Amino acid sequence: AQSVTQLDSQVPVFEEAPVELRCNYSSSVSVYLFWYVQYPNQGLQLLLKYLSGSTLVKGINGFEAEFNKSQTSFHLRKPSVHISDTAEYFCAVTSNYGQNFVFGPGTRLSVLP
Amino acid sequence: DTGVSQDPRHKITKRGQNVTFRCDPISEHNRLYWYRQTLGQGPEFLTYFQNEAQLEKSRLLSDRFSAERPKGSFSTLEIQRTEQGDSAMYLCASSLIQDGYTFGSGTRLTVV
Repeated sequence: AQSVTQLDSQVPVFEEAPVELRCNYSSSVSVYLFWYVQYPNQGLQLLLKYLSGSTLVKGINGFEAEFNKSQTSFHLRKPSVHISDTAEYFCAVTSNYGQNFVFGPGTRLSVLP
Repeated sequence: DTGVSQDPRHKITKRGQNVTFRCDPISEHNRLYWYRQTLGQGPEFLTYFQNEAQLEKSRLLSDRFSAERPKGSFSTLEIQRTEQGDSAMYLCASSLIQDGYTFGSGTRLTVV
């Protein structure tokens, strides 16, 4: 079974500052990793995914994440955030691509003017 | 295609009533998933279909819950004898095998 930990439930950051949202996972088998963003009263939108290959993955809206197998982490980063990035961010893992995902509890990113 | 559609967007019901939600996936997607999300939590897996076959059900899916996907197209999720603990956002997602999820906007259920 897999599990996902997102250590920070809330991250406040000023506009144009860099941000890192942390994600750690636990699995006994190889995994595929994803980050989703959820705006208020909306469904989840895929930001980026790691399936194989380069451990640095670039996604939409200027986000990127790095897969670190030894540390079982997949932290999400953005060098300069905007007010519009204010949302809930979820890290997810699956061991069989296309099967059900296990989601972390989410990190609420609040970008302050 | 406009993505995954869910209907209704919001549902308020009295405890003990039955409710049914509908999900229309992206037409070429053969997999359809139902998740439940409570306030401040990540989505929790309920069940999924490949075409019309229901392949997996979570233990969260009690006997009061039933899901169908007739003809492998749209899906319905029914909750019988609703309880206050059923209040949540119910999310539907679809995918092709070897592709990522596309989520709908969800149905927010409030049981009063």
